[in-house]
Amino acid sequence: EAGVTQSPTHLIKTRGQQATLRCSPISGHTSVYWYQQALGLGLQFLLWYDEGEERNRGNFPPRFSGRQFPNYSSELNVNALELEDSALYLCASSLEVRFFSNQPQHFGDGTRLSIL
Amino acid sequence: AQSVTQPDIHITVSEGASLELRCNYSYGATPYLFWYVQSPGQGLQLLLKYFSGDTLVQGIKGFEAEFKRSQSSFNLRKPSVHWSDAAEYFCAVGAPGGFKTIFGAGTRLFVKA
Repeated sequence: EAGVTQSPTHLIKTRGQQATLRCSPISGHTSVYWYQQALGLGLQFLLWYDEGEERNRGNFPPRFSGRQFPNYSSELNVNALELEDSALYLCASSLEVRFFSNQPQHFGDGTRLSIL
Repeated sequence: AQSVTQPDIHITVSEGASLELRCNYSYGATPYLFWYVQSPGQGLQLLLKYFSGDTLVQGIKGFEAEFKRSQSSFNLRKPSVHWSDAAEYFCAVGAPGGFKTIFGAGTRLFVKA
């Protein structure tokens, strides 16, 4: 079974640009989660999508947004990039939580976003 | 609301020695509990989970964890650490019937020869 895949592996941008990160969940998983892991700050919850809708959002500004497609893959968009956005962005997927509450999340290897 | 605390930011153990990583949670009832491991440059891998039943849970890579309701703890253990176990370990808690999983800040494990 293929795991969660994220692309690109690395992304280098400059301040003010926009970044798009992509995630494909495990087959059969409908929930997708995004996390930011900045150096020394642990895992910060960004967004949760389920069945194409945003279900929950962490404490991040609106320039962090995303969407989930009909095939359950997801995009994370970060606009007006700032230096502090440099981090590893992790995507995770799980079974639909409305029927399988709090199923374990399965993680991809992340996208390393560097802002110059 | 649930919360989780990992009191140790980093721990160093000798190869072959035993290991215990601490995790304390806050939740009004019995939560769902998880341990994840993150090797450098990689995502998080699920080591084990506790939903109900036997309070001693076996996981992958020789790890186990024990749920202690009276202490609100879910400590991770391994009898003999290998150099390849050097990584960051995250404890996580979820509320049964709820939709959110909260991750601890992580404990970095260093293994010395």
